[in-house]
Amino acid sequence: DTAVSQTPKYLVTQMGNDKSIKCEQNLGHDTMYWYKQDSKKFLKIMFSYNNKELIINETVPNRFSPKSPDKAHLNLHINSLELGDSAVYFCASSQGPATNQPQHFGDGTRLSIL
Amino acid sequence: EDQVTQSPEALRLQEGESSSLNCSYTVSGLRGLFWYRQDPGKGPEFLFTLYSAGEEKEKERLKATLTKKESFLHITAPKPEDSATYLCARKAGTALIFGKGTTLSVSS
Repeated sequence: DTAVSQTPKYLVTQMGNDKSIKCEQNLGHDTMYWYKQDSKKFLKIMFSYNNKELIINETVPNRFSPKSPDKAHLNLHINSLELGDSAVYFCASSQGPATNQPQHFGDGTRLSIL
Repeated sequence: EDQVTQSPEALRLQEGESSSLNCSYTVSGLRGLFWYRQDPGKGPEFLFTLYSAGEEKEKERLKATLTKKESFLHITAPKPEDSATYLCARKAGTALIFGKGTTLSVSS
């Protein structure tokens, strides 16, 4: 019954590899997000999609490419992984971009680059 | 640019010892102030949304209040299970701008 689910939970890989993280929400929400939480626990927005369309793209290297096949899914693909990409990546969803309804978060994907 | 500042960074309390966490923000025209709880290895869990100065919301031992410049999360008679990192965030367009959190430890 998980509302926002991410896979995998842990991802350990080598520098230079390409990897993907998947996110699915069963809340019927229209808007989905990717956040990055660094080693100091600071949570920062990366991307936001509304009904499969990109509406936020913060200053993120273009090695990061989000894809939304439908409004219940938002995946994150990362090319040419670097040491600095090590972090916990959180997916979230909310009813809509302009509402003040809360965002609901998944439990994160911990990415470690060797 | 950190537009949401939380203090203290860490707080240790004895069980039953009430205290408050602070969240200050610099933007005018606040569009929503959110409080979340985050347990180790988990995602942030929504607690409260506050919209206007003077607003208060309560849930069990937690009470959130809002002024024009800051929000407080009051914890009354905390228990060890209240130990977590508490995050506040303000709405900025579509996204949330988070503070760095206050890590609360409650010992019995």
